[in-house]
Amino acid sequence: EVQLVESGGGLVQPGRSLRLSCTASGFTYGDYAISWVRQAPGKGLEWVGFIPTKTYGATPYYAASVKGRFIISRDDSKSIAYLQMNSLKPEDTGVYFCTRLVGSGWPHDYWGQGTLVTVSS
Amino acid sequence: DIVMTQSPDSLAVSLGERATINCKSGQDLLYTSNNKNYLAWYQQKPGQSPKALIYWASTRESGVPDRFSGSGSGTDFTLTISSLQADDVAIYYCQQYWSPPYTFGQGTKVEIK
Repeated sequence: EVQLVESGGGLVQPGRSLRLSCTASGFTYGDYAISWVRQAPGKGLEWVGFIPTKTYGATPYYAASVKGRFIISRDDSKSIAYLQMNSLKPEDTGVYFCTRLVGSGWPHDYWGQGTLVTVSS
Repeated sequence: DIVMTQSPDSLAVSLGERATINCKSGQDLLYTSNNKNYLAWYQQKPGQSPKALIYWASTRESGVPDRFSGSGSGTDFTLTISSLQADDVAIYYCQQYWSPPYTFGQGTKVEIK
């Protein structure tokens, strides 16, 4: 069974950093890209970024709203993807989901349950 | 960035009736080389994470009931629920995966009338 489990969320002050993890199981992790999508309270879905497989260079892509502050990485030996969030702002508050996709130009076929990040003083 | 616009923002439909959600893309999502539209639909029930329903505009994900269907091509797409069930109460999102950033529509909330 495909599973994606996010962790690392919590309350953090503006300007500080937080790292989220996405632990995968039930499939060959190295064959799939991983994407992060967030959802502010009561709002819609916002795509944050994704990291392709190592076969395709594993160079991440980011939404403009997080580029330069967020870093996506992956550790294929552990089947984990990371979202390093720096210089956090109150508008980064929300539930962060990790998702799986075959690669660029493919839909997000499985989603984790999400982890809540609250940026507040 | 490709802007995705859904309509309506919400709709209330009687049980057993048809629900129709529209999604318009700011850019053509049809790749003529493979004749595929790079458009997906997701369902998010209250308190849950999104679930993939349809991809390539009209291909149902495995296990999705056949009352859900997707249609359209190019820039205009439709998700149809042919006979609304109580379990279909959710917010539905379209998403383009033609090029990053893989933008979503704003969502359409479906309720029971």
